[in-house]
Amino acid sequence: AQSVTQLDSQVPVFEEAPVELRCNYSSSVSVYLFWYVQYPNQGLQLLLKYLSGSTLVESINGFEAEFNKSQTSFHLRKPSVHISDTAEYFCAVTKRSNDYKLSFGAGTTVTVRA
Amino acid sequence: DTGVSQNPRHKITKRGQNVTFRCDPISEHNRLYWYRQTLGQGPEFLTYFQNEAQLEKSRLLSDRFSAERPKGSFSTLEIQRTEQGDSAMYLCASSSGGQGQPQHFGDGTRLSIL
Repeated sequence: AQSVTQLDSQVPVFEEAPVELRCNYSSSVSVYLFWYVQYPNQGLQLLLKYLSGSTLVESINGFEAEFNKSQTSFHLRKPSVHISDTAEYFCAVTKRSNDYKLSFGAGTTVTVRA
Repeated sequence: DTGVSQNPRHKITKRGQNVTFRCDPISEHNRLYWYRQTLGQGPEFLTYFQNEAQLEKSRLLSDRFSAERPKGSFSTLEIQRTEQGDSAMYLCASSSGGQGQPQHFGDGTRLSIL
């Protein structure tokens, strides 16, 4: 079975500062990796995904994540955050062979302060 | 793409009552998923449909829970004889077939058991 560990439950950050959210996974098989964002009282929105190819993936709103197979990590970064980035962020993994079941981490709450 | 729609958004009921939630997936998606999310945790997989066939059920889905997807379109999740521990956000997601297709989530139904 796959599992995901998000190493930080809360990350306070000042506006325009960089942020990194750490995600480690464990799996005995090859996986796909995802980051989702959840705003209060809403569902999850896909931020970015790693399927194959380049280990650095980017989103349209300035986030990027790097897949590191040797360290089994998929950390999320943004060089300069905005107030609107305040949300909860979830890392998720699914087996490549049976990709219907997402396993999520417990989430990281990012609070951006002016 | 009108997104995944879930109804109701909120449900408050007394312990022991039955409740039913509805999910309308993105119209061209043949896969549909249900997850449960409790406070401070990531979503947990409950069940998965491909078209009208329910292909996987988590052990979290006790005998009091039943899900259907008649005709491979909308889906319903019913909880019978609700218990305090059923209080959670119930999320529905859908995706198209094919490897690594991301799951698109609805805004969820928040269930509160009095």
